Amino acid sequence: DIQMTQSPSSLSASVGDRVTITCRASQNIANYLNWYQQKPGKAPNLLIFAASTLQSGVPSRFSGSGSGTDFTLTISSLQPEDFATYHCQQSYSIPLTFGGGTKVEIK
Amino acid sequence: QVQLQESGPGLVKPSETLSLTCTVSGGPISSYHWSWIRQPPGKGLEWIGYIYYSGNTKYNPSFESRVTISVDTSKNQFSLKLSSVTAADTAVYYCARNNYGGNSAGDNWGQGTLVTVSS
Repeated sequence: DIQMTQSPSSLSASVGDRVTITCRASQNIANYLNWYQQKPGKAPNLLIFAASTLQSGVPSRFSGSGSGTDFTLTISSLQPEDFATYHCQQSYSIPLTFGGGTKVEIK
Repeated sequence: QVQLQESGPGLVKPSETLSLTCTVSGGPISSYHWSWIRQPPGKGLEWIGYIYYSGNTKYNPSFESRVTISVDTSKNQFSLKLSSVTAADTAVYYCARNNYGGNSAGDNWGQGTLVTVSS
């Protein structure tokens, strides 16, 4: 199985901050990397697929980059509604696997 | 807008079989893969497996001996059966649509249903 490692596991930030979350794959996954946002008690919501393609309806302050084994999710200016947990997921091979999640909290 | 809704018992006894159904509305079940994913309380997401509308399946090897996913295109539903459950199978179970070809991104999810394994 491909292991996905996210860092940090949690972070505190203020509204307006630029936030970067990283995700590392245990082997080369090209650009088969997706990012989700999950709020408490809710299902995950797709933000970015194929490493850098913004899902329809997702604000442009979210962006993704990377290929191979190292990927980043960036929120250019954190908004109150962005406080949530973020998950990466690889779709290069079966089984599909997720990172452990990054919880973004209010400073 | 496609909507997914999980249904099934919220409480299952140890050693029994967990059975859930996902009903898809607002769009056809054809031409997509459909996944089951679970999330134990306070933990991360775990993919269980998916099914193509034609009936072809792929499972997570961690579950392969216990899991069956099936589809009923006439009802726009797909289902999960997980046998020989233990307390470790207690989780919120989500169904989701996989989109974008090989990127297999979950672009539509059900709200999730909590299944507790307890006697």
